[in-house]
This record gives sequence, structure tokens and C-alpha cells, in this order.
Amino acid sequence: DQQVKQNSPSLSVQEGRISILNCDYTNSMFDYFLWYKKYPAEGPTFLISISSIKDKNEDGRFTVFLNKSAKHLSLHIVPSQPGDSAVYFCAACFRGSQGNLIFGKGTKLSVKP
Amino acid sequence: SQTIHQWPATLVQPVGSPLSLECTVEGTSNPNLYWYRQAAGRGLQLLFYSVGIGQISSEVPQNLSASRPQDRQFILSSKKLLLSDSGFYLCACDPGGRRTVSFFGQGTRLTVV
Repeated sequence: DQQVKQNSPSLSVQEGRISILNCDYTNSMFDYFLWYKKYPAEGPTFLISISSIKDKNEDGRFTVFLNKSAKHLSLHIVPSQPGDSAVYFCAACFRGSQGNLIFGKGTKLSVKP
Repeated sequence: SQTIHQWPATLVQPVGSPLSLECTVEGTSNPNLYWYRQAAGRGLQLLFYSVGIGQISSEVPQNLSASRPQDRQFILSSKKLLLSDSGFYLCACDPGGRRTVSFFGQGTRLTVV
């Protein structure tokens, strides 16, 4: 049973437009959420995170929104750039889990020039 | 800054052969270390984590084992590989014990034939 779900395996966006990547979770114990970006043949790199006490966290072009009642979070990239093309993983963990992250399957973002 | 070295980058091994993947970390001390696996079409799955030398916790029962002989060295092993062990293996580091797995190695693509 997947506790973290990324239902869109791929997303294509035009350069300059907004990219919205979605993630749903089932475990209400999760209290910390992260987004990672992964290029082919490389390890994931940390992008942005959000604690469950917040509903928004912004870092430059990247904003993560958390809707706890819907158990849903999203990553917004504005404006999208071709270099943003990568696989984006949503991850979650809960207090006391020693940093053990539960990952989604990822969404492949393609930003077209 | 922290750096994770993971090798080899790719590996093709016959069924029944042993496995040893090594991960070393630079730029931090006493980190939490993790082994993840990404099987085809699946998200990243946590296999093992370690909070210190000789301390290993396993998240899923499997054909693999892990060891941490030194503070910044984490080894993933198997005595006899199975076909189902094929996948992309990633070492990750949580420096300073913060609850964020921030750094990943480059990964090892293992194909068991």
C-alpha cells in the first residue's frame, strides 16, 4: 500500500509557464514533507521542504503548498525553465522516524523551450 | 560541504554471486546514513539506516545486509544475489542528525542476470 502517491508519471510544460507537481499521502502521522529533484544517472537532490505546521513554503521559483485536510501537497515552479526538466520525488516522514523517508514514484517533468 | 562517494556506478552480476557496494561520506561527522533502492517503476524504498558505527536498522526483510565499520562508511552486501535485487541503489546522508535526508550519492545501477 503506497503511503505517498504521485499519480502523474509525467508532465510537459512550456518554458516560462507554471509547473505544478502533485502529491497525495495517506498517513496522517506524516509531519514533514520534502521534494527532491533527480536527473538521469544521478542521485536525488533536495529541493524544498515543509513542516505540517505550515501550509506554504517558498524558495525562489519553487513553492510547496500543503493541504493537511486533503492530505495533499504540491510543488509549483514559476517560471519553468528547460533546466528544470527532471524527475521530481515527493517524500514524507514523521516525528521519531529517524529521517526514514517514504517516497512517491516520481513525476517526470519536461520543460519545452 | 558534504560529499557522498558511491561506487561502482554500474554493475552486472550473475545470480548467486556476492555483492558489495560501498559508500563514503566527506565533510561531516556522525551522520545518519541510508541505503535506498529504486526498482523499475517504483519509488525509492528505504532498505537500511544507521545512526552510528555498528548500528544498523533494516526496514524490509530481504536478501541484503548492511554494515557501518567506520563513521563515514556504509556498505551494502549480499552473499547470493537474486534477480529481484536488480535496481538503482542510492546511499544517502543526513548530516548533523537533522531530520532531512539532504544528500544522495550518485547511485549504482545493479543488473542481476
